[in-house]
Amino acid sequence: KAGVTQTPRYLIKTRGQQVTLSCSPISGHRSVSWYQQTPGQGLQFLFEYFSETQRNKGNFPGRFSGRQFSNSRSEMNVSTLELGDSALYLCASSLGVDNTGELFFGEGSRLTVL
Amino acid sequence: GENVEQHPSTLSVQEGDSAVIKCTYSDSASNYFPWYKQELGKGPQLIIDIRSNVGEKKDQRIAVTLNKTAKHFSLHITETQPEDSAVYFCAAYLDSNYQLIWGAGTKLIIKP
Repeated sequence: KAGVTQTPRYLIKTRGQQVTLSCSPISGHRSVSWYQQTPGQGLQFLFEYFSETQRNKGNFPGRFSGRQFSNSRSEMNVSTLELGDSALYLCASSLGVDNTGELFFGEGSRLTVL
Repeated sequence: GENVEQHPSTLSVQEGDSAVIKCTYSDSASNYFPWYKQELGKGPQLIIDIRSNVGEKKDQRIAVTLNKTAKHFSLHITETQPEDSAVYFCAAYLDSNYQLIWGAGTKLIIKP
């Protein structure tokens, strides 16, 4: 079956702009989580959506937001971009009844803020 | 809240030798502990996991051990091969908020 698909794979923005990233989970998966990964850093948890509801949120400012649609596809948005937002943004999907199942990660969207 | 510490941050071993990565968690209520491997340019992938009612689990050259009393768990890779070179992440799961808490990662380098 198809894996997790993230679009776009690469993008360049300038400070102050906003960006929307998309994630299509594996068919049948109801949970989508988002992570930020910067060089040399681990996986910083942004938020998790399950059945269109935000179930968990990490410690990121309100400029970072997300949503999940009825088909489980998810988007995240970053407004008023800052240089420090340059990172690889990873999305992961799972069946999601709880989170003790395998997370399937996409290959990420690499954002560069100039 | 839950915190997961992972050591070492970088580990270099000779091909064929064993590698051990350790993680310590803070919340004794954590009950699920996965390990993920991230190869260059890819997203992390689950390689092995263990639940709190089990002390050890093996899958070919990979094993994970869990010490609930000491609140730590370890990844063991035997007979390391070049393809084991990657970043490895541990995580601990807390039932109360459905959240996985991640370690900072270990870069494993296999020297030929």
